[in-house]
Amino acid sequence: DVKVTQSSRYLVKRTGEKVFLECVQDMDHENMFWYRQDPGLGLRLIYFSYDVKMKEKGDIPEGYSVSREKKERFSLILESASTNQTSMYLCASIPRQGAVSPLHFGNGTRLTVT
Amino acid sequence: GDSVTQMEGPVTLSEEAFLTINCTYTATGYPSLFWYVQYPGEGLQLLLKATKADDKGSNKGFEATYRKETTSFHLEKGSVQVSDSAVYFCALSPRGAQKLVFGQGTRLTINP
Repeated sequence: DVKVTQSSRYLVKRTGEKVFLECVQDMDHENMFWYRQDPGLGLRLIYFSYDVKMKEKGDIPEGYSVSREKKERFSLILESASTNQTSMYLCASIPRQGAVSPLHFGNGTRLTVT
Repeated sequence: GDSVTQMEGPVTLSEEAFLTINCTYTATGYPSLFWYVQYPGEGLQLLLKATKADDKGSNKGFEATYRKETTSFHLEKGSVQVSDSAVYFCALSPRGAQKLVFGQGTRLTINP
């Protein structure tokens, strides 16, 4: 069965800390995504990647960066965490043939920045 | 740009009631349309999809029909169960694109 694993379910960090959110998929998917989920706003795309070492900005990339050194791993980095980055973060992957295939999501990381 | 609008939640129903969650979209061309469901404590999973006009997606008793003329993809179920309690997201994928645009989600609670 397809699996997308996010390394932490809950994280609490302090303002100004550098934060790493890790995501690993075991399906050999080319495309990986980071979304944040906030009540009333749905899911908003932060960054995505079509291949190793490739990345594209989504709709809300400010304050975030990403790293994709290996095909199976896609990391989201908060260079200097702020309280407005408190949210649920969801990683997803999909094979290259396109988005008519379902996105496979991890269970999410709930990040609290204090 | 492309966007998805869902009906405001939360929605609370009694078991065996009829469910409709409205979804309308704005997109250039002919996108693919999806409903995803998120159960408590889990990530999202695909519920159903439709890739062209007049297609009907169905799964687990849920249905949605791709209506190009009204740019809608409303989710329906004839008789809901307590286990259907979840957050439901409507989404679209622009033609030729490799990413999804999501609506704001609708929280559904079914009471026994």
